Amino acid sequence: TQLLEQSPQFLSIQEGENLTVYCNSSSVFSSLQWYRQEPGEGPVLLVTVVTGGEVKKLKRLTFQFGDARKDSSLHITAAQPGDTGLYLCAGGLPSGTYKYIFGTGTRLKVLA
Amino acid sequence: NAGVTQTPKFRVLKTGQSMTLLCAQDMNHEYMYWYRQDPGMGLRLIHYSVGEGTTAKGEVPDGYNVSRLKKQNFLLGLESAAPSQTSVYFCASRRHGGAGGELFFGEGSRLTVL
Repeated sequence: TQLLEQSPQFLSIQEGENLTVYCNSSSVFSSLQWYRQEPGEGPVLLVTVVTGGEVKKLKRLTFQFGDARKDSSLHITAAQPGDTGLYLCAGGLPSGTYKYIFGTGTRLKVLA
Repeated sequence: NAGVTQTPKFRVLKTGQSMTLLCAQDMNHEYMYWYRQDPGMGLRLIHYSVGEGTTAKGEVPDGYNVSRLKKQNFLLGLESAAPSQTSVYFCASRRHGGAGGELFFGEGSRLTVL
């Protein structure tokens, strides 16, 4: 059972456009992370949010954790070809087992 | 810095054969994880370890076994490989168990079972 659903699954946009990727669950998480993965490599952490309602900005990327800590969004402003990749959200389960559950992934392609 | 190293990077097996994937980390991390990645499924947790000598099941543990005899190494074994285990396998490590700790990943091991 996949606890974290991401949408959209695929996204192809032109350079300069804005986009939002969503990560949704019915479960509560102690923390929510976003990773980016490029072909042939492992995922690399972009950001961690731990407080409900928290918003973090990383240059053109804005991350938000839902108030109830069940969902998150990633917004990219003025996308660039270098943003191309697979974006994965990951939720830390609060049960004390310290498992990280990953979302289904959003594959983004930014065309020049 | 080597970080997290996985071996082998590629392997082709026949159905029923066995193999072991090795993950080694040089960051003195307590927590280690094995994930598999399949198209449209993101990363699914197979097994994980919260310290030397400990292991626990993740979301999809069937058909896999693991061992953590040394803190720096986490082994993933397939006793009798099946075509459904064709996937890319990623190992990750994490320094501590607090909320929000960063996962550091290896480059992946691509396994094909014929």
